[in-house]
Amino acid sequence: DTEVTQTPKHLVMGMTNKKSLKCEQHMGHRAMYWYKQKAKKPPELMFVYSYEKLSINESVPSRFSPECPNSSLLNLHLHALQPEDSALYLCASSLTGIHGYTFGSGTRLTVV
Amino acid sequence: GDSVTQMEGPVTLSEEAFLTINCTYTATGYPSLFWYVQYPGEGLQLLLKATKADDKGSNKGFEATYRKETTSFHLEKGSVQVSDSAVYFCALRSAGNQFYFGTGTSLTVIP
Repeated sequence: DTEVTQTPKHLVMGMTNKKSLKCEQHMGHRAMYWYKQKAKKPPELMFVYSYEKLSINESVPSRFSPECPNSSLLNLHLHALQPEDSALYLCASSLTGIHGYTFGSGTRLTVV
Repeated sequence: GDSVTQMEGPVTLSEEAFLTINCTYTATGYPSLFWYVQYPGEGLQLLLKATKADDKGSNKGFEATYRKETTSFHLEKGSVQVSDSAVYFCALRSAGNQFYFGTGTSLTVIP
């Protein structure tokens, strides 16, 4: 298995809703990442988990809450989002060192 | 700090034309360098990589050579196809394990 699987692929939510994005990999990667990508822009790093511990939080608002229940799973809990949070949310994983990241296909989030 | 500078797009080429997308980097130590491709509505896919100076990464007819003397990692393809239409991101992984993306270059290939 050489993939990062993200669900759902599309999500529309209201500003008062609570939802979660899910990411899963079975490649034995011990680093996992959440990125946010707006249209025609490069991905922006949000969170980094290393060995299931949060190691980087790039000043992300608290309405985004990450969780890493085990080495294969990464969640992003969403609450009270704003329309400007609409974007493609990408999960990635990697081995340490010189390797590239493996990205999931993303969740297209629309906040209404 | 470390960074990647990528040529501005968009780039429009006719089928079978030669492609070059320029990428230069600034880094301390010895970064690894990558090209990612993003097709419309999809995530990023690793296209090719090089982990040390003078390495050449290649995949699907695309090539890029890690040039330390010019701090460059330009992407080339000898004959593009319509199916190559996508956004291409140059990226580096620093000695400190941080990942940096360029701004992306949109390529459109017309028949």
